[in-house]
Amino acid sequence: NAGVTQTPKFQVLKTGQSMTLQCAQDMNHNSMYWYRQDPGMGLRLIYYSASEGTTDKGEVPNGYNVSRLNKREFSLRLESAAPSQTSVYFCASRLYLEAGELFFGEGSRLTVL
Amino acid sequence: AQKITQTQPGMFVQEKEAVTLDCTYDTSDQSYGLFWYKQPSSGEMIFLIYQGSYDEQNATEGRYSLNFQKARKSANLVISASQLGDSAMYFCAMPDNDYKLSFGAGTTVTVRA
Repeated sequence: NAGVTQTPKFQVLKTGQSMTLQCAQDMNHNSMYWYRQDPGMGLRLIYYSASEGTTDKGEVPNGYNVSRLNKREFSLRLESAAPSQTSVYFCASRLYLEAGELFFGEGSRLTVL
Repeated sequence: AQKITQTQPGMFVQEKEAVTLDCTYDTSDQSYGLFWYKQPSSGEMIFLIYQGSYDEQNATEGRYSLNFQKARKSANLVISASQLGDSAMYFCAMPDNDYKLSFGAGTTVTVRA
């Protein structure tokens, strides 16, 4: 049971570089999410996709873009990385937007120098 | 986003004792629910327990119970008979008007032998 799989687990970037975090879930969930976790701030929602074909901004979307490639996959792109984007990123999925718990990936630790 | 407050940044508890983690929330919704997650030092997010505001009985999952006090807008997590493996960060979370989960800043629990 893979659940939610995100790659890469670790990444170091230089300021201005771009990268894409990949996320896939095998639970046939409709909703998918990207959160970032910073010390003392809990998890903050970056973007989410309520269902295949839709994406919406969360609390902290600036500097990020997302793509819901299909029902299984939801990617997060940093076009021009900044040190403020150094964080741990979590992908999550939920059966429906309105119900059920979030299932999380293992997290991706990103450092921007 | 809903405002979720966890006022205890860190707590120590003796093994086999109970510990109560506080979570207060600010919502005008009539129907809502509250989740608790555990994040051990390995980093993954583990769902622990959920309760809806209209549930009459406090939710219980093994050694975890959720103490909902709607008049005070609080939903505390009680861990009974603490074990060393309970040492982790604990987050409460609540859906906002658009069903997206907002998280508190978390409470670190350290269980002492």
